[in-house]
Amino acid sequence: AQSVTQPDIHITVSEGASLELRCNYSYGATPYLFWYVQSPGQGLQLLLKYFSGDTLVQGIKGFEAEFKRSQSSFNLRKPSVHWSDAAEYFCAVGGRYSTLTFGKGTMLLVSP
Amino acid sequence: GAGVSQSPSNKVTEKGKDVELRCDPISGHTALYWYRQRLGQGLEFLIYFQGNSAPDKSGLPSDRFSAERTGESVSTLTIQRTQQEDSAVYLCASSLVPASTDTQYFGPGTRLTVL
Repeated sequence: AQSVTQPDIHITVSEGASLELRCNYSYGATPYLFWYVQSPGQGLQLLLKYFSGDTLVQGIKGFEAEFKRSQSSFNLRKPSVHWSDAAEYFCAVGGRYSTLTFGKGTMLLVSP
Repeated sequence: GAGVSQSPSNKVTEKGKDVELRCDPISGHTALYWYRQRLGQGLEFLIYFQGNSAPDKSGLPSDRFSAERTGESVSTLTIQRTQQEDSAVYLCASSLVPASTDTQYFGPGTRLTVL
């Protein structure tokens, strides 16, 4: 069965500092990996996705993620966090025609 | 509309009552998904419609839950005899084609509170 682990429930980062959110997955075949962001009162928005090819994926809002097959990880990064990035972030894994399995999310707090 | 819409945005009901939640997907999207998000939890897949094929109901937690979709348009999620553990945000998403490779666009959700 596929699964996603986001080990950090909450993370606090100072504005302007770098950010890394961790995601580990379990999937029996080639995974398709996603990061979504959920701002308060908003629906989920896709940040980026990985299917194949270059293991470093660029997304919207200055985010990037790196797929590491050997570590079963797909960590999300941003070099400089803005206060507007405060939100909950979800990692998800799926197969080509399967539904997505989401992690429990990481809440990002940005301090001034 | 421009995005996925859901109604109502909030629903408070008494234990034992039935509720209906509505989802309007993006026009032309063949795939539609329902998820449940309990407080402090990730998204839990409930049901998936793909065009005119039989829906994937593998995520429905009990026979009190059902969903319908008319063609490639509106979907309704029905919860019968609601229980307090049904309290959650119910999210709907749609995608152009039914494959994980395609981006799912989410609605704002319906917050259900069962008293």
